[in-house]
Amino acid sequence: AQSVTQLGSHVSVSEGALVLLRCNYSSSVPPYLFWYVQYPNQGLQLLLKYTSAATLVKGINGFEAEFKKSETSFHLTKPSAHMSDAAEYFCAVSDSGNEKLTFGTGTRLTIIP
Amino acid sequence: KAGVTQTPRYLIKTRGQQVTLSCSPISGHRSVSWYQQTPGQGLQFLFEYFSETQRNKGNFPGRFSGRQFSNSRSEMNVSTLELGDSALYLCASGTTGGTGTQYFGPGTRLLVL
Repeated sequence: AQSVTQLGSHVSVSEGALVLLRCNYSSSVPPYLFWYVQYPNQGLQLLLKYTSAATLVKGINGFEAEFKKSETSFHLTKPSAHMSDAAEYFCAVSDSGNEKLTFGTGTRLTIIP
Repeated sequence: KAGVTQTPRYLIKTRGQQVTLSCSPISGHRSVSWYQQTPGQGLQFLFEYFSETQRNKGNFPGRFSGRQFSNSRSEMNVSTLELGDSALYLCASGTTGGTGTQYFGPGTRLLVL
């Protein structure tokens, strides 16, 4: 079965510093991978997705992620954190042709002024 | 395009009652999925409907059911509510490209007393 593991349930970074949120996947077939963000009392917003095209994927709000098959990783990065980035971030995986998403446990990002 | 809409946004019920939640997908999307989000279990897949047929089902008891109408709108029903059913219920709609890309609504927060 597909699964993703997010390392670090809480991450704190200073405003202007690099944001790095880690996600490793387990899949026996090439996966589709996603990052979603959830602000308090809201639903999930799609940040970016990997669907077997370019390995470096750019998303909204300055975020990007790199698919590394050798490391089974899909880490999310942003060069310079902004206060508005404070939220919970979820990595997710789906099987090819399957609309079911399997989510990681989430990482809560705190930005220190 | 309007996003995914869910009604109601908040709901309070007592144990033993039943509840029906509604979801309208993005125009043109024919796949609708439901997820349950709780602090303890995280985000869990309930089921997915496509063209009025349940295509995927998660590991939830039979008290949880759903349906999809010909206009792609979907409802989920929970019968004989338990305290543990208190959660944020998220609906997501997607295209049928098989990448699993889904767009989420704001959710319905259900509190069972």
